[in-house]
Amino acid sequence: ETGVTQSPTHLIKTRGQQVTLRCSSQSGHNTVSWYQQALGQGPQFIFQYYREEENGRGNFPPRFSGLQFPNYSSELNVNALELDDSALYLCASSALGTPLMEQYFGPGTRLTVT
Amino acid sequence: GQQLNQSPQSMFIQEGEDVSMNCTSSSIFNTWLWYKQDPGEGPVLLIALYKAGELTSNGRLTAQFGITRKDSFLNISASIPSDVGIYFCAGPSYNQGGKLIFGQGTELSVKP
Repeated sequence: ETGVTQSPTHLIKTRGQQVTLRCSSQSGHNTVSWYQQALGQGPQFIFQYYREEENGRGNFPPRFSGLQFPNYSSELNVNALELDDSALYLCASSALGTPLMEQYFGPGTRLTVT
Repeated sequence: GQQLNQSPQSMFIQEGEDVSMNCTSSSIFNTWLWYKQDPGEGPVLLIALYKAGELTSNGRLTAQFGITRKDSFLNISASIPSDVGIYFCAGPSYNQGGKLIFGQGTELSVKP
């Protein structure tokens, strides 16, 4: 069974640029959630995708957007990057038929905005 | 809004000692999850709790769902160096589908 994978591992961008982060869900999982984790803090919920539609969103501005594909993989897009967007971005997947709250995380993408 | 408060913020213990940490909230949670995060990695799910009063073990780890539904405890027995990391409690938002709310974490250091 393949776990959650994310790419790239690390990324450095300049303020104002756009970035796309990618996530492949664990085999058999059809729901993907994205979290932002600033240094020294717990993860903060960005949004969740189920059946290719957004299924819940946290307190993040519209410049944070996402997609889910038919194979359940997902992308997180961030436009007009700001310095405060520097963080570890985590993707988590969960499976229909099991408690949705059991979310399994990937290793994350470390984004640095300069 | 819903918040989770973890204590202590950090712990420094000797290998072989038992560890106890807790998570509290002013709101009721119907599910409690405990995760461990190693440096540079994503959180790994350790234990999930679904019923008030439930006590669940995973090897040397034991977690309890408080009967008031406003707290949870995680105990680690006979700690070893690989227990080092940050432990997070988490619970589902009552009004935002799919959202997990995390505490700020308890950082555990184990001295050999």
